[in-house]
Amino acid sequence: DAKTTQPPSMDCAEGRAANLPCNHSTISGNEYVYWYRQIHSQGPQYIIHGLKNNETNEMASLIITEDRKSSTLILPHATLRDTAVYYCIVDPGNTGKLIFGQGTTLQVKP
Amino acid sequence: EAGVVQSPRYKIIEKKQPVAFWCNPISGHNTLYWYLQNLGQGPELLIRYENEEAVDDSQLPKDRFSAERLKGVDSTLKIQPAELGDSAVYLCASSATFWNEQFFGPGTRLTVL
Repeated sequence: DAKTTQPPSMDCAEGRAANLPCNHSTISGNEYVYWYRQIHSQGPQYIIHGLKNNETNEMASLIITEDRKSSTLILPHATLRDTAVYYCIVDPGNTGKLIFGQGTTLQVKP
Repeated sequence: EAGVVQSPRYKIIEKKQPVAFWCNPISGHNTLYWYLQNLGQGPELLIRYENEEAVDDSQLPKDRFSAERLKGVDSTLKIQPAELGDSAVYLCASSATFWNEQFFGPGTRLTVL
């Protein structure tokens, strides 16, 4: 199963872009990269997912490198409400079996 | 549209007592998941249902944990007897199908004294 590596914590100024990196060097060709976040005392929330191409939705953008060994989640204009733990997950074999790691704690500061 | 509903939100019991958690998934979602989340850790999958069938229960401690999903809608997770180490948040999630994004409920925080 492909594992992911994320920095344990990051800070971001309110209104600025937050760029959260994820390394998944052992990813297989057909495995998707998913991002979820978990705000304190809530259940995880789906953000975005992708395979090869960059993806964008109303919440964020996902940039996947050409070799697919790493990706970056971009929150274009971070707000205080974006303070959360962000999880980068590779779905092993596209089974829907999400394996959550420790994630990155993003602190957005005023 | 209502999200995933879980009850109770909080539960405090003494060790060796039984406890049950209830989950109502998003309407129309065929896949239902139960996760366990220890403090400071990411959620860990306990069991996954496709309709009423448990298709992945490899991480469920079957000596004390049990789950059911009657009629492929609501689900109940039970622990009997509870141990001190079971103190955690129990999360329920659902998805339209197993390859779609998962929607999580708020979780039940269990404290075993």
